[in-house]
Amino acid sequence: EAEVAQSPRYKITEKSQAVAFWCDPISGHATLYWYRQILGQGPELLVQFQDESVVDDSQLPKDRFSAERLKGVDSTLKIQPAELGDSAMYLCASSLAGRFSTDTQYFGPGTRLTVL
Amino acid sequence: KQEVTQIPAALSVPEGENLVLNCSFTDSAIYNLQWFRQDPGKGLTSLLLIQSSQREQTSGRLNASLDKSSGRSTLYIAASQPGDSATYLCAVIYNQGGKLIFGQGTELSVKP
Repeated sequence: EAEVAQSPRYKITEKSQAVAFWCDPISGHATLYWYRQILGQGPELLVQFQDESVVDDSQLPKDRFSAERLKGVDSTLKIQPAELGDSAMYLCASSLAGRFSTDTQYFGPGTRLTVL
Repeated sequence: KQEVTQIPAALSVPEGENLVLNCSFTDSAIYNLQWFRQDPGKGLTSLLLIQSSQREQTSGRLNASLDKSSGRSTLYIAASQPGDSATYLCAVIYNQGGKLIFGQGTELSVKP
């Protein structure tokens, strides 16, 4: 069964350092999402891509976070510089259809970030 | 503000019990609602998706209902098993193509 891949699974960094997370969605899925989940809370959308275009980044802290999906396939989320409050699980998800559909989202295993 | 609330935050039951998890949302004009399962330290697995025009969905021992007028959904788990222990998350989409808005989850523990 096809799955969403994410790496690394765990990342420990010191504050002010740069970190990057990678996501490879299910093949053929046009829509890709990055969520942040703080311990004990539900995930919150950071950015949504339709193919290579950003369709929603309203909750992305753009002073330190950036995301790209250059060829409309895999994606990278970067934080620079990392802050203590960025410690969380970063989840990637993908769905089959285009922007104006709400197919089921399939989630990857996540990257657990700890900022010291 | 569009919010999703899940109560209780944690629930412990003995094996074999039937149980209900609750989800409420502030704006009844939802597009659809999903229930997810999350095992510790893992990603989310979609359990059931209910479109706004539907009243319920069933999958095996799981049944999810939707009452838009009252802003509520319930997830019913029949004959609970220790393997059902996980966090269950409810999420809504308010507009076609919109983002999922999650509740904070209910952590379920089923004791043998």
